[in-house]
Amino acid sequence: AQTVTQSQPEMSVQEAETVTLSCTYDTSESDYYLFWYKQPPSRQMILVIRQEAYKQQNATENRFSVNFQKAAKSFSLKISDSQLGDAAMHFCAYSFNFGNEKLTFGTGTRLTIIP
Amino acid sequence: SQTIHQWPATLVQPVGSPLSLECTVEGTSNPNLYWYRQAAGRGLQLLFYSVGIGQISSEVPQNLSASRPQDRQFILSSKKLLLSDSGFYLCAWTGGPGETQYFGPGTRLLVL
Repeated sequence: AQTVTQSQPEMSVQEAETVTLSCTYDTSESDYYLFWYKQPPSRQMILVIRQEAYKQQNATENRFSVNFQKAAKSFSLKISDSQLGDAAMHFCAYSFNFGNEKLTFGTGTRLTIIP
Repeated sequence: SQTIHQWPATLVQPVGSPLSLECTVEGTSNPNLYWYRQAAGRGLQLLFYSVGIGQISSEVPQNLSASRPQDRQFILSSKKLLLSDSGFYLCAWTGGPGETQYFGPGTRLLVL
């Protein structure tokens, strides 16, 4: 079974600084997707960024970028120029491309932004 | 554009009472639909998913059931709630293979 591990329950960063959140996963598949979602206090799950495993290029989305290391099964999220709105629970998730797109989530990292 | 709705937003129910949570998606057809539960301070656990009308797959055996009576409607039910059913329930959809899951606003359920 696939598992997703987030080893940092909590992280904090000064506003405008850069922070990296870690995620590792375990799978025997070669074709899959990885995601970072954030959950602010409203508890709405919001997509931050996604990565297709077959792509070697790391995904970027404005201030957000990932470091995808397929061989190491590592998928970290880098947030540049941290903003107060980035304060949230951040979840790493995995989806195997099998047609039903079920997501397996990590336990999350609570990110605090220090003004 | 597509939108996903869930109701109610908050629900307080006594132990042993029935449950019905509803999720609807607008702006798309034949979506894959999902129910997740999030216990306090925890990640999301997939409960059920559906790839079409009347097609339900259960991930975790428990006190809950799901139904999909219409293409864009997904219902989570229980005949008798347990204290352990308390949590935050999220519905999600995707348009098909390889596509991102998008989540509804969630329902907070408290069983007393």
